[in-house]
Amino acid sequence: NAGVTQTPKFQVLKTGQSMTLQCAQDMNHEYMSWYRQDPGMGLRLIHYSVGAGITDQGEVPNGYNVSRSTTEDFPLRLLSAAPSQTSVYFCASSFAGGSSSPLHFGNGTRLTVT
Amino acid sequence: QQQVKQSPQSLIVQKGGISIINCAYENTAFDYFPWYQQFPGKGPALLIAIRPDVSEKKEGRFTISFNKSAKQFSLHIMDSQPGDSATYFCAASMNAGNNRKLIWGLGTSLAVNP
Repeated sequence: NAGVTQTPKFQVLKTGQSMTLQCAQDMNHEYMSWYRQDPGMGLRLIHYSVGAGITDQGEVPNGYNVSRSTTEDFPLRLLSAAPSQTSVYFCASSFAGGSSSPLHFGNGTRLTVT
Repeated sequence: QQQVKQSPQSLIVQKGGISIINCAYENTAFDYFPWYQQFPGKGPALLIAIRPDVSEKKEGRFTISFNKSAKQFSLHIMDSQPGDSATYFCAASMNAGNNRKLIWGLGTSLAVNP
């Protein structure tokens, strides 16, 4: 099993450009989520999904869109990149959305917006 | 009410020593307390977790101590090894409908000197 796969690993964007960060999992997990990790800020939830066709906002959703058309995939779209979106982005999945269902993280996408 | 305070921010331990990381929470509705380990360039991975009805949980060299009345929990790494050098995140989780509310500490960077 590959687990949670994120692409690309690195990306540089210019301000105003758009892009999609890809996330795929092969564990048949219902719950998927996107976090951003910034120095001194820990992990902050951007968006999450509890199943195909269902998405909701997390703590810091502004500037990001998500969709969940299949169980396996949960792409994150940056609509108009800003320097404040420079960060490391992690996709995570779990079997269910409940409190004790462990999260499985991908290895991240390091995004720089100039 | 939703914060998880983690300390210290960074920690240096000699090989063979004991590493101790502390976390404190405020909301008594949290019902699951995981610790995640993150190596450079990788995503966090679940290390060990505890529920509040247990005062201690041990897995190999890793032990969680939980003090429900003080609303504190800590991670102890016995016989610390250079391979334990990583960032450790504590978290507190509770069910929230079909989702979870997961509050993260800001992380502790552990360096184990050989």
